[in-house]
Amino acid sequence: SQTIHQWPATLVQPVGSPLSLECTVEGTSNPNLYWYRQAAGRGLQLLFYSVGIGQISSEVPQNLSASRPQDRQFILSSKKLLLSDSGFYLCAWSPREETQYFGPGTRLLVL
Amino acid sequence: AQSVTQPDIHITVSEGASLELRCNYSYGATPYLFWYVQSPGQGLQLLLKYFSGDTLVQGIKGFEAEFKRSQSSFNLRKPSVHWSDAAEYFCAVGMMNRDDKIIFGKGTRLHILP
Repeated sequence: SQTIHQWPATLVQPVGSPLSLECTVEGTSNPNLYWYRQAAGRGLQLLFYSVGIGQISSEVPQNLSASRPQDRQFILSSKKLLLSDSGFYLCAWSPREETQYFGPGTRLLVL
Repeated sequence: AQSVTQPDIHITVSEGASLELRCNYSYGATPYLFWYVQSPGQGLQLLLKYFSGDTLVQGIKGFEAEFKRSQSSFNLRKPSVHWSDAAEYFCAVGMMNRDDKIIFGKGTRLHILP
């Protein structure tokens, strides 16, 4: 069966520091991959999605970037964190023309 | 443009009572519809989905949802709620193509009274 992992589970970072969040999927190949941010009381905001290695689409211009160096690995990065980057970050995968399945999330607090 | 509206931000029901969470969507074609549930600090879990066929869809944990095209609705129901159903519920609409993007509603938080 397929599983999706995110790490770290929780992260506290100072303003201006870099960020790297990782998401990996097991048990499938060539999935679509997604990064969402969930701010308190504001639902889910799609940040990036990828339909293949090296193919990244950005939904919202911002301080963040994404990369897909391997088929089942999706990385969310920032060179300099802002206070407004705090939130709950969710990775999801989709087996093509199907439902999205979510990881456990990473709680990011920028101080 | 596609959109999803969940008109109730919070709903409170007593344990054992029935539940209906409302969802309305705006979409130009036949939508693919989903309900997800999220417990505090957790990821989203798929409860059920509608792609085609029978408009009454059964999901996990005793939930069901009914697609009503004439009302552009996809309401979630459960005949008798349990304390463990307290969570946030998200309705979503999508068009299954190469990128499989989904538009989410802002969620309804369900509170259960003992």
